[in-house]
Amino acid sequence: QVTLKESGPALVKPTQTLTLTCTFSGFSLKTSGMSVTWIRQPPGKALEWLARIDWDDDTFYNKSLQTRLSISKDTSKNQVVLTMTNVDPMDTGTYYCSRNMDVWGQGTTVTVSS
Amino acid sequence: ELVLTQSPGTLSLSPGESATLSCRASQNVRSNYLAWYQQKPGQAPRLLIFGASNRATGVPDRFSGSGSGTDFTLTINRLQTEDFAVYYCQQDGISPTFGPGTKVEFK
Repeated sequence: QVTLKESGPALVKPTQTLTLTCTFSGFSLKTSGMSVTWIRQPPGKALEWLARIDWDDDTFYNKSLQTRLSISKDTSKNQVVLTMTNVDPMDTGTYYCSRNMDVWGQGTTVTVSS
Repeated sequence: ELVLTQSPGTLSLSPGESATLSCRASQNVRSNYLAWYQQKPGQAPRLLIFGASNRATGVPDRFSGSGSGTDFTLTINRLQTEDFAVYYCQQDGISPTFGPGTKVEFK
């Protein structure tokens, strides 16, 4: 059974760096064709694709946010980490990670406020 | 950036009716990398359709996807109460994006 769980701070101050961790089980990011994607959703708004890391270490970023985002993986821990620098209240929302976009975590809520 | 537009914004229907949801892309979607997701309040999105017309595992056959190029459709036949939700299309090309969503609500 594939499961993913997001974790990270619930509250972050503006200008700080946000670090989110996706811990997964039931698959390996060493397996060809596997990828983990981060997606977010501001309260009451639509989904926004953020970044993806593939089994072969290829990384892809939302062009509007790419200067602030970094995605990495630790295959020994079955984790994918997303960092977002210089956060703003507009970054408030629920952050999801997903395996190949077919299995999603429950999401973690982040509020950016001073 | 490839922009997805969904219509209508809200669809008011009764159980048993059919729903037709539209997703239009500002450019051709690469190799039909078009997916549909269902999201209920307080829940993560659920993959329904991938590759424009392929049902994901466990998705009832009352859900069907069609289309190619820039025009795609999600059809839900015989709406069940559990189908009332928000539906998003997503293109998984070079720079993936989601549409703004269509809410299917009780009439």
